[in-house]
Amino acid sequence: GEDVEQSLFLSVREGDSSVINCTYTDSSSTYLYWYKQEPGAGLQLLTYIFSNMDMKQDQRLTVLLNKKDKHLSLRIADTQTGDSAIYFCAERRTSGTYKYIFGTGTRLKVLA
Amino acid sequence: EAGVAQSPRYKIIEKRQSVAFWCNPISGHATLYWYQQILGQGPKLLIQFQNNGVVDDSQLPKDRFSAERLKGVDSTLKIQPAKLEDSAVYLCASSLVAGGPSDTQYFGPGTRLTVL
Repeated sequence: GEDVEQSLFLSVREGDSSVINCTYTDSSSTYLYWYKQEPGAGLQLLTYIFSNMDMKQDQRLTVLLNKKDKHLSLRIADTQTGDSAIYFCAERRTSGTYKYIFGTGTRLKVLA
Repeated sequence: EAGVAQSPRYKIIEKRQSVAFWCNPISGHATLYWYQQILGQGPKLLIQFQNNGVVDDSQLPKDRFSAERLKGVDSTLKIQPAKLEDSAVYLCASSLVAGGPSDTQYFGPGTRLTVL
């Protein structure tokens, strides 16, 4: 299908790990991104992964990419209340112009 | 470094009225994007500029939406006439150059449009 899919909600306790999943659509997409959106704000780029990589780690963030299944995940270690936000994955398609397709977003709620 | 600026932050209009949004990208960024984000959805690309030329406007409803980027810097997005379904947050983003290794998009805070 055309849609980049994400689960809508995730709730975790402070200090636990969070795992947010995404299924993208275009196997030729070269870059895959994770963005964070806090209330009333624009999107903030958290991290990205190139399609020839399986994993990327950046401090508390770990991105895993399963290209065969077109599955992307974002793991946040030691989740804090400040991590509460909506998280969007996005793929950059290479067909035609460089078009970004965003998922529907996962709302992460961190419980103190 | 100053971020992407957008104005106004909020706008309420009645259907069939016109509205315009303004975006000032990060200095030196050649690529500018306008996205529409309907409540509960991810952003959808409306139009992409490279300098002052249009790269992609395939998802722009051209019967009512128009956008320009004169002089390759600031951009305006206009809706005329507005419909109820245009209620959304309109996000502007810019990047140094499209298609680069990271091609990081920096987003503005958005303009929340409510059409009554």
